[in-house]
Amino acid sequence: EDKVVQSPLSLVVHEGDTVTLNCSYEVTNFRSLLWYKQEKKAPTFLFMLTSSGIEKKSGRLSSILDKKELFSILNITATQTGDSAIYLCAVSPNTGNQFYFGTGTSLTVIP
Amino acid sequence: NAGVTQTPKFRILKIGQSMTLQCTQDMNHNYMYWYRQDPGMGLKLIYYSVGAGITDKGEVPNGYNVSRSTTEDFPLRLELAAPSQTSVYFCASSRTSGRGDTQYFGPGTRLTVL
Repeated sequence: EDKVVQSPLSLVVHEGDTVTLNCSYEVTNFRSLLWYKQEKKAPTFLFMLTSSGIEKKSGRLSSILDKKELFSILNITATQTGDSAIYLCAVSPNTGNQFYFGTGTSLTVIP
Repeated sequence: NAGVTQTPKFRILKIGQSMTLQCTQDMNHNYMYWYRQDPGMGLKLIYYSVGAGITDKGEVPNGYNVSRSTTEDFPLRLELAAPSQTSVYFCASSRTSGRGDTQYFGPGTRLTVL
């Protein structure tokens, strides 16, 4: 059965800290992995990763995929209180039309 | 550009009542999805559609029905509401399910069944 596991489940850090969020997956015929940020409402898209070893970067956020070891990490440097959210990882297989979501990592950034 | 819109934002139902959650997208996306998100859990796919007239079950379809008569609309129907259906429901759409695409989410509907 396809599945996506995120760790840690929750994390509390101080402003300015750097955090690394993990997403491992077991999906038949992997196509892409997506990261979302979910604050109070709907998830918003951060990154889509399809190739190993190529870092995607947006400001203080970056992400990389390892298709051999079947995981991805999301890094946030110099965290701010506005980074407090749930970060969701989703994986899409080549077959079918579904996205499989992990349970998310809840990040709290304390001033 | 409105993107994906959902109505209502909140709803309280009694056990056994029925309702329809509305979802509309104005991006001419072929693919549409319904998810539910329970507290502390990830998103679970209920149903999805790859185009008008075509729907398919996701991971947790029991207790729900969908239809897709137009590209824009993808309503989710609850026929006999149960407390286990208390959740936040998200509708999403994507142009295709291909490599270059991501999903765009609506703001969600918070449903409580008492």
